[in-house]
Amino acid sequence: AQSVAQPEDQVNVAEGNPLTVKCTYSVSGNPYLFWYVQYPNRGLQFLLKYITGDNLVKGSYGFEAEFNKSQTSFHLKKPSALVSDSALYFCAVRTYNFNKFYFGSGTKLNVKP
Amino acid sequence: DVKVTQSSRYLVKRTGEKVFLECVQDMDHENMFWYRQDPGLGLRLIYFSYDVKMKEKGDIPEGYSVSREKKERFSLILESASTNQTSMYLCASRGTGTGGTGELFFGEGSRLTVL
Repeated sequence: AQSVAQPEDQVNVAEGNPLTVKCTYSVSGNPYLFWYVQYPNRGLQFLLKYITGDNLVKGSYGFEAEFNKSQTSFHLKKPSALVSDSALYFCAVRTYNFNKFYFGSGTKLNVKP
Repeated sequence: DVKVTQSSRYLVKRTGEKVFLECVQDMDHENMFWYRQDPGLGLRLIYFSYDVKMKEKGDIPEGYSVSREKKERFSLILESASTNQTSMYLCASRGTGTGGTGELFFGEGSRLTVL
């Protein structure tokens, strides 16, 4: 079975500090991993993805994520948080032979001024 | 830019009513999906379609049906709405031209309240 876990319901960080939003996954086969962001009453926006190659992936709005195969993790990071980064973040996984994406339960990021 | 359009952003319906949620994408994507989003549960797949007139059940298909008569349009139908179907419904699409590595593109969501 494929699954994604986001262990923190909420992450609080001060503006200007680095942020990390955690994601771990369980799949059969090589994973394709994705991060999405959702602002209130909006759809999900794609941030970045890992398919293969370099373990550090860079995406939109200064976000990056590190794929760690041994720890089955794909944590989202940003060196310096902005108040405007406050939103709901979702991690998702799929494998090549499945058309389904499996999503985590989401992590609410609060960036305080 | 890919655009996925959900025609209704907010709907209020009564128990037992038939509800149609419409979704249209403009990128000629083969795959289309309907998800339901509830707090603390993330996104759960209701149905998806990989071609016109083709559909597959997702993880929570009970109480829902879908229709895909044209490639660009994927409709979610609640035959007899119930209060436990009050939720945010998200439509998404994905092409296959990237060798299967493409991401999902989402619409803005349809927030349904069933009274």
